[in-house]
Formats: sequence, structure tokens, C-alpha cells
Amino acid sequence: GAVVSQHPSRVICKSGTSVKIECRSLDFQATTMFWYRQFPKQSLMLMATSNEGSKATYEQGVEKDKFLINHASLTLSTLTVTSAHPEDSSFYICSARRDQAADTQYFGPGTRLTVL
Amino acid sequence: GQQVMQIPQYQHVQEGEDFTTYCNSSTTLSNIQWYKQRPGGHPVFLIQLVKSGEVKKQKRLTFQFGEAKKNSSLHITATQTTDVGTYFCAGGNFGNEKLTFGTGTRLTIIP
Repeated sequence: GAVVSQHPSRVICKSGTSVKIECRSLDFQATTMFWYRQFPKQSLMLMATSNEGSKATYEQGVEKDKFLINHASLTLSTLTVTSAHPEDSSFYICSARRDQAADTQYFGPGTRLTVL
Repeated sequence: GQQVMQIPQYQHVQEGEDFTTYCNSSTTLSNIQWYKQRPGGHPVFLIQLVKSGEVKKQKRLTFQFGEAKKNSSLHITATQTTDVGTYFCAGGNFGNEKLTFGTGTRLTIIP
């Protein structure tokens, strides 16, 4: 159990376009999902916390108008990178908590975004 | 803000040798979690420690949580090629659900 999927796994886009990444919990309901960004050979940096039915909470320094997060159901959260630029190229990873009482996060396989 | 540092940043060991990575937080943690990320992969949960001084074992892996709940360690006995990857600790914070990931230790094995 506790499988999280992400789509797409890889995406290449032109500068100025928008890209949507989906994160799904396949076999459990996730009231909370998290979005991370990981640059090569670096650690995971939390971008935002996404709660079902409410606005996401963004970490300091993360532009909420650039990284749009929607958590419309208990199994789906989406991250849209708007007007992407080459510096947005990174590995974007989502995670989900299975229940409120547990701290463990289950990670999706990640989406590698390359902006040309 | 909270910082979670790991040392060493890189470790190259001969297969069969032991390996240890250390994790230090600038603040007291509610819990510590450990994840392994294989090259090109995503983090996979290994274990969670909650109690002060807690020690847990998983086969060749031994995890410790410090008495002050500010540091932790992961020790691998007799490394194997399958142990290759980056090991991250992640600290849980009181009062919120976020994890702060450590800087990671990349382990490579020399066959």
C-alpha cells in the first residue's frame, strides 16, 4: 500500500509556457500532500503544503503565483509551473501523508522538468 | 530557520566495510525519519524514530536518535552494492506537519 504516482515523469517545454504536474495517491486518501524541488546533487526543498479543499501553504521564497497548487480531491494534487524559465528546470517530487496521525510521507517518482 | 546538516557529504567505501552518516539539527525535533534515494530515483522511507535515545535495527542498518532529539545516525554494517544511494535524514517539527530534509550523504561502493 501507500503508492503515489506522478505524471508526467519527464517534460521538456519552451520558455514562457506552463506545465502541469499531477500527483496521485493510488491506494489511500491523502488529506495532505507536499511538493518538493530537488536540484542536481542537492537535497529536497519543500515548496508548499497542499491540503485538500483549501489553499496551499507556501514556503518562504516560493512564488505562489508562479507555482500554482490545486488539491481538489483526496487523491489528487496538481502543481502548475506558470511561464516557466530555464532556472525552473529541476526535479519536482510530491509526497502524501496517509493519515493525520502519521508523520511518514510517501513519495511519488518525481517529474523532471527541463525548460529550454 | 531550522537547518538539518549531514556529514559526510560523500562516502566511498569498499564493499564489506561499514558506513555511518550523521545528522544534526539546529532545533529539537519531534521525530527523525530516514530516506534512501537511489541514483535517478525518488526518496524511499526507511524508518522513523520518535523517542529520545531510541535505537532501531533493520537487518544491517542501525538507526539512533540522540538523547536531546537533535541528532541522529545511520550505520550500515558490511555494505553491499545494493546500498548505493543518497541517504537523507528528515526532521519533523513540533506543531506542524512539515519535514526538513538534511543535506544528504551520498554513498558509493567500490566492488
